[in-house]
Amino acid sequence: GDSVTQMEGPVTLSEEAFLTINCTYTATGYPSLFWYVQYPGEGLQLLLKATKADDKGSNKGFEATYRKETTSFHLEKGSVQVSDSAVYFCGYSGSARQLTFGSGTQLTVLP
Amino acid sequence: DAGVTQSPTHLIKTRGQQVTLRCSPKSGHDTVSWYQQALGQGPQFIFQYYEEEERQRGNFPDRFSGHQFPNYSSELNVNALLLGDSALYLCASSFQGSRETQYFGPGTRLLVL
Repeated sequence: GDSVTQMEGPVTLSEEAFLTINCTYTATGYPSLFWYVQYPGEGLQLLLKATKADDKGSNKGFEATYRKETTSFHLEKGSVQVSDSAVYFCGYSGSARQLTFGSGTQLTVLP
Repeated sequence: DAGVTQSPTHLIKTRGQQVTLRCSPKSGHDTVSWYQQALGQGPQFIFQYYEEEERQRGNFPDRFSGHQFPNYSSELNVNALLLGDSALYLCASSFQGSRETQYFGPGTRLLVL
């Protein structure tokens, strides 16, 4: 069935380090892909999205490229900050128009 | 511009009881989706409402029901609560013309004892 597989956490980095969080999906058709971020005690915030193959979503220094050939949507940031500490969720929306999420990746950035 | 709001923020119930959670969508949005997020997990889709009707449903029992009002706000009802229903319940809203981009509220944390 349709699913999202995320890199398992937790991930701990030093400030200004490079971040990659891997995400692959299994879905039929041409889903839209998303990254959401969840800060402690809060709901999910949309971080970025891509709606078709080879699209690059970007926001706040984060980027992800929709790779249909590898069914991937890896999240990257060149230089993380302490304020980026949160849980990151990869998700997709297919023809059913509902979001399917991965299990989340906890990121901690140390000063 | 008010975002998605949910009430209450926290709730404690006992097994067998019933609970109602409420959600007001972001201004201009007409579609509401509900998700259950267990501790340490990703959100799981419960159902989606548009034009006051349930349009999509995830793999949840019919103890979970909902409603959408003419002003687009929505309720989630859970009957015969089980311990396993303890979770963060998230409401997300979107606009029919762009249903894929969903904006989430802060959630209601339900604890069933």
